[in-house]
Amino acid sequence: AQSVTQPDIHITVSEGASLELRCNYSYGATPYLFWYVQSPGQGLQLLLKYFSGDTLVQGIKGFEAEFKRSQSSFNLRKPSVHWSDAAEYFCAVGEWAAGNKLTFGGGTRVLVKP
Amino acid sequence: DARVTQTPRHKVTEMGQEVTMRCQPILGHNTVFWYRQTMMQGLELLAYFRNRAPLDDSGMPKDRFSAEMPDATLATLKIQPSEPRDSAVYFCASDDEGTYEQYFGPGTRLTVT
Repeated sequence: AQSVTQPDIHITVSEGASLELRCNYSYGATPYLFWYVQSPGQGLQLLLKYFSGDTLVQGIKGFEAEFKRSQSSFNLRKPSVHWSDAAEYFCAVGEWAAGNKLTFGGGTRVLVKP
Repeated sequence: DARVTQTPRHKVTEMGQEVTMRCQPILGHNTVFWYRQTMMQGLELLAYFRNRAPLDDSGMPKDRFSAEMPDATLATLKIQPSEPRDSAVYFCASDDEGTYEQYFGPGTRLTVT
């Protein structure tokens, strides 16, 4: 069965600093990978996805993620965070053979200091 | 701007009562998912449908939960009888089979006292 691990429960970063959120997955085949963001009291919004091809994918809000098969990782990065990036971030792996059933990691809550 | 809608947004009920949550997927999306989010368990998939047919409901407690799609524009999740441990935020999401991008609704926050 597939699984997703987000090792960092909380991360605090200063506004303007870079951000990297870690994600490790376990999946037998080529994974579909996703990053979602959840602002307080809101639903989840898709930031970016990886299916195949270029291992560096660009998303919305200035985020990017890099797929590394050898490390089973799909880390999310942003070069310079804004106060509005304070939210919870979820990595997910999609089981495409089962209709894109998603398995989510536990989430990383990002706090942004002024 | 197409969105998934969910009603009600908040529900407070007493233990033993029936709860019905509704979801309107994005028009044209043929797959609908129900998730539950709690502090302890995180995001869990309860059930999902494709073209209104259930694909998998193994994440759902069968004795008290039921999910249906009466038509392509409505998905429902019912809990009967409700219990305090059902308190959570319930999300509906829909996707287009071709893109595999799930769009989430705002959620229903359920509190069972």
